[in-house]
Order: sequence, then C-alpha cells, then structure tokens
Amino acid sequence: GENVEQHPSTLSVQEGDSAVIKCTYSDSASNYFPWYKQELGKRPQLIIDIRSNVGEKKDQRIAVTLNKTAKHFSLHITETQPEDSAVYFCAASVTDSWGKFQFGAGTQVVVTP
Amino acid sequence: DTGVSQDPRHKITKRGQNVTFRCDPISEHNRLYWYRQTLGQGPEFLTYFQNEAQLEKSRLLSDRFSAERPKGSFSTLEIQRTEQGDSAMYLCASSQLAPRGDEQFFGPGTRLTVL
Repeated sequence: GENVEQHPSTLSVQEGDSAVIKCTYSDSASNYFPWYKQELGKRPQLIIDIRSNVGEKKDQRIAVTLNKTAKHFSLHITETQPEDSAVYFCAASVTDSWGKFQFGAGTQVVVTP
Repeated sequence: DTGVSQDPRHKITKRGQNVTFRCDPISEHNRLYWYRQTLGQGPEFLTYFQNEAQLEKSRLLSDRFSAERPKGSFSTLEIQRTEQGDSAMYLCASSQLAPRGDEQFFGPGTRLTVL
C-alpha cells in the first residue's frame, strides 16, 4: 500500500521568511496530491493540490512542486504571516481507484512575529 | 451550512460501552470516507463508501467497528466494547466521483474519549 513520509515534523520561521515542507510517497500509481491545513481544534482544509500531469502549481503565496520520478512533492509558503501557523498535512491518492488519502504525519509550522 | 457535519462533536464513554457517530456529507457527494486521527498524527483511513456500498475497509477497522450508509446519504460509525486505545478524533470526509472532484471535504470530527 501507499506510504507517505513528511518532513520536518516542526518548523519555526520568522514572519516574512519562506517555509518548505517535503513529502515522499511510495506508490507510483498515486496521481493526486493535496495539502491540508489544520488549525488547532478545527477540521483539515484544502489549501492547494496538484495532479501527476503537472510539475508545479501556484496560488498566491503558496506553491506545490511534484517530482514524479523521485516520488516527492513539496509545499512552499512565501512571505509567511502569523496566520500561517498551523499543522500542514500532505497526502497522496489514486483517484482512479477508491480515492482514499494516505496522509503524512504532519508538520507543525510556527510563524513568529 | 452546506458543509460536512458530524454529531456528536465530543463523546466521553467508559471502557466497554458502545458508541455511535453520525456523518452528514455534502448532499451531492457520492463518496464518503471515515478517518481516525490521534494526537500528532495525520488522519488514518478507516473505510470508504460509494453511495450506499462499503467498498473498502482498512485493517485498522477491527470487528468491533462497523459503518453503514443505508440510503447513500448520511453514514454512521459504531464502535462496540470500546477500549482506551479507541480514544481519537474520528473524521468524516466526502467527495464527488472522479473526475468531477478529487478534493475531500472534511467534517469537524467527533472527539472520542474512552475512560
């Protein structure tokens, strides 16, 4: 089955700096890679996703890159703000199958003013 | 509110008791997933429904766990003879059938504490 590893587990950055979170996956059939943000006590919410036919996607201060050959994908947050503080989860799925997500263990991001 | 809802939000029970949780997905979503999340971990897949059919169950889902989606709308997750190790957040998510949508929308979760 699919296995997703996520690093680092915690990340502290100064406001305005960039944050990068990396994930690797094992199942070459995975073709959909979402990133979820979960604030304390709240539900996970999708912030960006990428499909396997695309190498990079950007949405304002957030970008995701995918390297299918190496089976890894990364989340980049630029110009970090205190409201970016949260736990971020990467996931991988095979949408042609049941579409279940295999999540990484999460990264606690703390943005200090 | 047209999002995914779950009830109850919190449940405290004693070891050995049975509990049942409910999930109401977004109305037009065919797919429904249950996940379990423990502190400091990502959600772990438990089971999946497409309409009323339960198509996959994780090996995490012991025979004490049962899930239903009788009319292809809301779903229930029952845990019998609860154990302390069952304490976790139980998340429900729904999505449309691919290729219309791959994003899973999560509910607020039910936090279970087994004493």
